Amino acid sequence: AQSVTQLDSQVPVFEEAPVELRCNYSSSVSVYLFWYVQYPNQGLQLLLKYLSGSTLVKGINGFEAEFNKSQTSFHLRKPSVHISDTAEYFCAYSNQAGTALIFGKGTTLSVSS
Amino acid sequence: EAGVAQSPRYKIIEKRQSVAFWCNPISGHATLYWYQQILGQGPKLLIQFQNNGVVDDSQLPKDRFSAERLKGVDSTLKIQPAKLEDSAVYLCASSLHRLGQTATAFFGQGTRLTVV
Repeated sequence: AQSVTQLDSQVPVFEEAPVELRCNYSSSVSVYLFWYVQYPNQGLQLLLKYLSGSTLVKGINGFEAEFNKSQTSFHLRKPSVHISDTAEYFCAYSNQAGTALIFGKGTTLSVSS
Repeated sequence: EAGVAQSPRYKIIEKRQSVAFWCNPISGHATLYWYQQILGQGPKLLIQFQNNGVVDDSQLPKDRFSAERLKGVDSTLKIQPAKLEDSAVYLCASSLHRLGQTATAFFGQGTRLTVV
């Protein structure tokens, strides 16, 4: 069965520190990968996506992710986080064009000063 | 550009009552999704529409949940009768339809349902 695993349920970091949120997906010929962010009482906002092409994907708010086919991973990174990055982050995956995304359980990023 | 609109934002009902949620997708988006997000979990797909046809409803509890998108634009999701475990945020999303491609899904703010 298709699945996406977010390896950390909670990641606490200090402001201006780097952060990596880990995501692994079930192997498939085709993969489409997304990272979404959810602020309290809000819907999901797209951070970045990988559909094809360059394996390093840059998104909004200084986030980037790298598609690694051999390790079936799509980890999200930011070199220096801000208090305002505190939110829930979801990795999502599809292995067939046009089908709905399957979401991971989410990672809570908590940034403190 | 207006985003995905959902109403109501919050709803509290007693178990065994019925409830309905409304979604207006982004103009021109042919694909519409309803997701259920239980506290502490990621969103889970309930149903996917392409225009007014159902693409995937394999995870919709059809004995109590129903959804429609009669004119290929707005959609309603209904629960009847509600159970305590239906307490969740119901998210609507929409995307452009691109044949053979996966398009980005844009989400509404969700409806938070509490069943007491």
